[in-house]
Amino acid sequence: AQSVTQLGSHVSVSEGALVLLRCNYSSSVPPYLFWYVQYPNQGLQLLLKYTSAATLVKGINGFEAEFKKSETSFHLTKPSAHMSDAAEYFCAVSEKSGGSNYKLTFGKGTLLTVNP
Amino acid sequence: NAGVMQNPRHLVRRRGQEARLRCSPMKGHSHVYWYRQLPEEGLKFMVYLQKENIIDESGMPKERFSAEFPKEGPSILRIQQVVRGDSAAYFCASSPGWDLAKNIQYFGAGTRLSVL
Repeated sequence: AQSVTQLGSHVSVSEGALVLLRCNYSSSVPPYLFWYVQYPNQGLQLLLKYTSAATLVKGINGFEAEFKKSETSFHLTKPSAHMSDAAEYFCAVSEKSGGSNYKLTFGKGTLLTVNP
Repeated sequence: NAGVMQNPRHLVRRRGQEARLRCSPMKGHSHVYWYRQLPEEGLKFMVYLQKENIIDESGMPKERFSAEFPKEGPSILRIQQVVRGDSAAYFCASSPGWDLAKNIQYFGAGTRLSVL
């Protein structure tokens, strides 16, 4: 079974600083990888996805992630943090769920705090 | 994503009562997934349904939990004889069912179940 590890359950940055949220996965087949964001008391919103096209993926709100097969990583970055980026971020991998069907396996999440 | 509708948003039950959580997928989506989010943890897959069929229920507890997605109407996650450990946020997601591996799932805002 696939698994996802997010290093650091809590990351704190200053406004304007670089954001780096780490995600490593284990997969026996080429993975499809996702980053979702969850604002307080809300559902998950898709930030970006990797589906075996370009290894550098750009998403919404200025976020991007780079797929590195040799490191089995899919870290999320943003050059300059904004206060509105404060939220919880989840990395996920698509995993077979019987036949040709798939389901998502999530990491435990990283809570991003942005300080003024 | 506002397109996936879950209700109620908050549900309070006493131990031993039944909880029924509803999910209406986005228009045109025939695949529904249920996930549970316990405090301090990421989302855990519970069950994957298509219309009138359970495809994968490998994440469902063996007892007291059931799910359905009838031909007409919303998907229902049912928890019988709730216990305090069932307190969690339950999220529903839907996908259109094509290109399943890339499996972009759209999430509802969740139902937060509190068991007293």
